[in-house]
Amino acid sequence: DQQVKQNSPSLSVQEGRISILNCDYTNSMFDYFLWYKKYPAEGPTFLISISSIKDKNEDGRFTVFLNKSAKHLSLHIVPSQPGDSAVYFCAASLNSNSGYALNFGKGTSLLVTP
Amino acid sequence: ETGVTQSPTHLIKTRGQQVTLRCSSQSGHNTVSWYQQALGQGPQFIFQYYREEENGRGNFPPRFSGLQFPNYSSELNVNALELDDSALYLCASSPWDRGTRGETQYFGPGTRLLVL
Repeated sequence: DQQVKQNSPSLSVQEGRISILNCDYTNSMFDYFLWYKKYPAEGPTFLISISSIKDKNEDGRFTVFLNKSAKHLSLHIVPSQPGDSAVYFCAASLNSNSGYALNFGKGTSLLVTP
Repeated sequence: ETGVTQSPTHLIKTRGQQVTLRCSSQSGHNTVSWYQQALGQGPQFIFQYYREEENGRGNFPPRFSGLQFPNYSSELNVNALELDDSALYLCASSPWDRGTRGETQYFGPGTRLLVL
């Protein structure tokens, strides 16, 4: 059963505008959330993360918002640039004594047009 | 600093065969995780190795097995291949110690396996 859901398979945004990528999760035990970016023929690369004790984390043009009551997080990219065009995966993890598997969503393909 | 590398990049096998995929961790990383990414899906956790021992496993059958070597490189072995095993297999390494959480995993480019 998919515990992390990204319901928008694709998103197209004009250069300079804001990109908002959404992610929902079902497991209330998740305590850490991450966004990964993936270009074709490359592995996912870490973008930004947020602990469940916070509701916002910002890193340059990228901000992640967490709404625990709604079990929802979003990634904001401002301003969007053509180089941001990639597939974005939302992931969540549990704190466990037996490792920390990442649970990924299906991804959202972002296209930033000039 | 060398990143995570995987070999081979592509592989074609037939149903029932066995396959071994290899992963070299990033320097200084002692934990390796393997993920399967089917077409149109996100990566799914197979298992994780920490200091040569399996340290967590996802919902995959026993015919998926692994090894981690003293230099922290790793192998993923899949026996009795099925058509549904066709996927991109990703390896990720991280600098994790017990008592702390590795917050990020560094992924390799993956091995694309096609089972006919």
